Amino acid sequence: GAGVSQSPRYKVTKRGQDVALRCDPISGHVSLYWYRQALGQGPEFLTYFNYEAQQDKSGLPNDRFSAERPEGSISTLTIQRTEQRDSAMYRCASREGAAAEAFFGQGTRLTVV
Amino acid sequence: SQQGEEDPQALSIQEGENATMNCSYKTSINNLQWYRQNSGRGLVHLILIRSNEREKHSGRLRVTLDTSKKSSSLLITASRAADTASYFCATAPSYGQNFVFGPGTRLSVLP
Repeated sequence: GAGVSQSPRYKVTKRGQDVALRCDPISGHVSLYWYRQALGQGPEFLTYFNYEAQQDKSGLPNDRFSAERPEGSISTLTIQRTEQRDSAMYRCASREGAAAEAFFGQGTRLTVV
Repeated sequence: SQQGEEDPQALSIQEGENATMNCSYKTSINNLQWYRQNSGRGLVHLILIRSNEREKHSGRLRVTLDTSKKSSSLLITASRAADTASYFCATAPSYGQNFVFGPGTRLSVLP
């Protein structure tokens, strides 16, 4: 596709349930990033991949959060046993390489009730 | 943790005036990007400036980078009401490829 695509756009889940958020990057982009953004704040780095390799996961808040990119293209961010504090906008970005511009998807708004 | 910090936190100007936002950071960078976000919507990439560059232009946007002061500025000339948005800088450290956002500057352009 022409841009970064994220799905679903909106997700409401009950506390304790697992959720999987999907990111389809721009075709050919090597690097893929996950961010979380609370209302009125800047995006907070979670993790990133080069191809299928997870290069940095230092931003993942705890072990309930995990991400994968098994074939170096589509990525999934999984949150297990969701809590209300996980409610936020989750954003994905991709870039051609380390020194290139990063382009963001529209995000997935997660609400945990 | 946040690497970049924008200043001011909020800025209100009249249409036609220029708007200047600053970004300060702490560690050496490979590059710095500026983004715009309207009302919590998507992040739109504006400009990327590399550590060996001092100034870049794109339309009404001018970005400068001073690595000795660890700071960057974004100038929007002849502002329009449509420029009302939050503006973020994102810094990529020299030692890695992730990039970290600051808290942003909320710009209001009054008609």
